[in-house]
Amino acid sequence: EVQLVESGGGLVQPGGSLRLSCAASIFKFTTYWMTWVRQAPGKGLEWVASIKQDGSEQVYVDSVKGRFTISRDNAQNLVYLQMNSLRAEDTALYYCARVTVDSKYRAFDIWGQGTMVTVSS
Amino acid sequence: DIVMTQSPDSLAVSLGERATINCKSSQNLLYSDNKKNYLGWYQQKPGQPPKLLIQWASTRESGVPDRFSGSGSETDFTLTINSLQPEDVAVYYCQQYYGLPITFGQGTRLEIK
Repeated sequence: EVQLVESGGGLVQPGGSLRLSCAASIFKFTTYWMTWVRQAPGKGLEWVASIKQDGSEQVYVDSVKGRFTISRDNAQNLVYLQMNSLRAEDTALYYCARVTVDSKYRAFDIWGQGTMVTVSS
Repeated sequence: DIVMTQSPDSLAVSLGERATINCKSSQNLLYSDNKKNYLGWYQQKPGQPPKLLIQWASTRESGVPDRFSGSGSETDFTLTINSLQPEDVAVYYCQQYYGLPITFGQGTRLEIK
């Protein structure tokens, strides 16, 4: 069964760092772009970042550029989101998702259950 | 950024009736090279991740009941749910993947009247 499982969330102080992981059980993991989407409590969905199949291209929403880094380990079927200089407004449930087919300009067809990040002193 | 605006914000429909959710894009989502609209619809039930229902504005995902349908082109899109069922209670989001940043509508909460 195609599955994505996120981990690494938790409570962190403003200015702190956290690394999220997403483990994928996808037969051909290396053929998909992967993405992170977040959802603040009681709010809507916000795309955060996406990474190309071979890791050679990463794209970000402006609000996290320079603070967050998306990466992947294709040997382990893992996607990461390194989050630095965290702010209160980064508090959200972070979802890992698969981008359909072979481009970053596609819908997200498989989602994990999410991992909660809370930034608070 | 492409702004996606959904209407209404919330909707209450009787069981067995039709629900209609609209989504308006601030930019044309129809790509001229392939004549596809870069628009998706998602369903999110309480405590669950979003689920992709429709991509390319009107292509239903495998396993999605055929009472769900998508229509529209360029800047105006509609998600229609025919014969509303109890399990359709959810928040529905439209999404554009035409350009970066990828953006979502604010969501429409669908309830049973």
